[in-house]
Amino acid sequence: NAGVTQTPKFRILKIGQSMTLQCTQDMNHNYMYWYRQDPGMGLKLIYYSVGAGITDKGEVPNGYNVSRSTTEDFPLRLELAAPSQTSVYFCASIQTVQSSYEQYFGPGTRLTVT
Amino acid sequence: EDKVVQSPLSLVVHEGDTVTLNCSYEVTNFRSLLWYKQEKKAPTFLFMLTSSGIEKKSGRLSSILDKKELFSILNITATQTGDSAVYLCAVTDSWGKLQFGAGTQVVVTP
Repeated sequence: NAGVTQTPKFRILKIGQSMTLQCTQDMNHNYMYWYRQDPGMGLKLIYYSVGAGITDKGEVPNGYNVSRSTTEDFPLRLELAAPSQTSVYFCASIQTVQSSYEQYFGPGTRLTVT
Repeated sequence: EDKVVQSPLSLVVHEGDTVTLNCSYEVTNFRSLLWYKQEKKAPTFLFMLTSSGIEKKSGRLSSILDKKELFSILNITATQTGDSAVYLCAVTDSWGKLQFGAGTQVVVTP
């Protein structure tokens, strides 16, 4: 199992550009999450999904969109990138909340918007 | 408003010292409290605490939860330089969503 994989590892965007951060898990996990981590801070939840076709907002959803068409993939879309979106983005997953709350994290994507 | 507060924000200790990290929370729909270690990459899981008063141990690390007073502590005994990291406390709700504290930066000097 590769676990949770994220691409790209690094990206530099210009203000106003768009991009999609990819997240894939091969553990057949139903629940998936996107977090962002600003320097010196803890992680904040952007969006989450409890299964294919079901998504909901987290604490900081503005400026982002998500979709979940398959169990494996949970891409995060940035439209009109802004400097405030400079951050490290982590994707995570769990099987179900009935099995365990321990989240498996991907390696992260470091995004800089200039 | 839900919040998770960690203290101290940072500390420096010498190898061999014991470290105690604190995490207090005010979160509706609480399910579990988790501790993670982060070393300039993705957080790695340490402990998950669901029941009050039951200590969890892994080597030199241990943690306990007090659901009445709404806090948890993480202890590291006989610290080593490899323990230098940011330690994150997070609380999860029934949807598995994690709310994190800001973290405690631990630096262990030789």
